[in-house]
Amino acid sequence: NAGVTQTPKFRVLKTGQSMTLLCAQDMNHEYMYWYRQDPGMGLRLIHYSVGEGTTAKGEVPDGYNVSRLKKQNFLLGLESAAPSQTSVYFCASSLIRVGSAGELFFGEGSRLTVL
Amino acid sequence: DQQVKQNSPSLSVQEGRISILNCDYTNSMFDYFLWYKKYPAEGPTFLISISSIKDKNEDGRFTVFLNKSAKHLSLHIVPSQPGDSAVYFCAANQGGSEKLVFGKGTKLTVNP
Repeated sequence: NAGVTQTPKFRVLKTGQSMTLLCAQDMNHEYMYWYRQDPGMGLRLIHYSVGEGTTAKGEVPDGYNVSRLKKQNFLLGLESAAPSQTSVYFCASSLIRVGSAGELFFGEGSRLTVL
Repeated sequence: DQQVKQNSPSLSVQEGRISILNCDYTNSMFDYFLWYKKYPAEGPTFLISISSIKDKNEDGRFTVFLNKSAKHLSLHIVPSQPGDSAVYFCAANQGGSEKLVFGKGTKLTVNP
């Protein structure tokens, strides 16, 4: 009954370091998303994927890269972390297109601090 | 350029009373709206949704109202319970797009 699992839950980085956040879902969902949440800013879409092997840019994609090599996994990479990327990151998935009355299932979040 | 606005950062109500959370949007092409609830240190969870062909959708204690002419929707919780204390996000989708646009959220506190 895992749903959407994010790894790691917490991470502290120094400016310029790189890291990858892993999102795994066991619901056989086609669509996967990465959001960031900042105080007073709500949830902003970074990148998303409509199926294995596909990725697309969201609202705030700069400084991030993503890959969807397997249907169940969606990776978010930071090649050179910056303090502005300090945030809580949420992965989400959906079975069908949200606009077709689908809904997003979210992971518990990954808190990233860049010093 | 915020397309989905939740102008009240916080709301406090007494247990048993009605909670009304408001959301305004600017994009007239939005045709599907959702409300999510988020507890601290957890991911958001889906609460209720409404299509633009309806003006009301009800699920137990939760009712969402949509006023398309005013580009306004509201979430009513009756009766409010302490366990409803959380941050509530309004979200909107445009014409079958893969993406949701979220508001900034309203923190609801239900006092016993």
